[in-house]
Amino acid sequence: DAKTTQPNSMESNEEEPVHLPCNHSTISGTDYIHWYRQLPSQGPEYVIHGLTSNVNNRMASLAIAEDRKSSTLILHRATLRDAAVYYCILRDVETSGSRLTFGEGTQLTVNP
Amino acid sequence: DAGVTQSPTHLIKTRGQHVTLRCSPISGHKSVSWYQQVLGQGPQFIFQYYEKEERGRGNFPDRFSARQFPNYSSELNVNALLLGDSALYLCASSFLRENTEAFFGQGTRLTVV
Repeated sequence: DAKTTQPNSMESNEEEPVHLPCNHSTISGTDYIHWYRQLPSQGPEYVIHGLTSNVNNRMASLAIAEDRKSSTLILHRATLRDAAVYYCILRDVETSGSRLTFGEGTQLTVNP
Repeated sequence: DAGVTQSPTHLIKTRGQHVTLRCSPISGHKSVSWYQQVLGQGPQFIFQYYEKEERGRGNFPDRFSARQFPNYSSELNVNALLLGDSALYLCASSFLRENTEAFFGQGTRLTVV
């Protein structure tokens, strides 16, 4: 699986937008970009995924660079509940099935 | 609907012992995957089972084994426990083998002493 690079930690204030970056310079054409998050003492939770176009859902938005070598997860208004470790994962469905290869992730702290 | 359920939630075992962890997927989900999460790291893939067959295996020794039952529930077995096996063991289920969205349970915290 192609490797992703994320900052170890980021900090935000409540009700402000948060932009979580992810670099994946070795991404292949069949790799989907997935984001999961893990709240304290819980299992990971799916956030969003995309291939080439930007994606929006009720939780977040995913902005994908035109060359696909980087992406940004956008939380539009951070809440205290959004404090978690956020994982950016590349997944080639053809070769990996539903296997997810997690890295270290970004620890997001949300200040009240 | 109930989410993915794992049992037990916590477990303490002695080195050399054997352990069995259990997972019940979301109703209708046929794919179950197991992950090991050591403190401070992201989860590491161990196995995927789909329709009762092993469909993927991570870089873990043969001491780790798993199976999936006709009702799609699954067991993870670890033999000859080592101190390094202490971790949070997570189970994830999805409807299809290739599903993009995996649903994780709360995990089983295994401590080996």
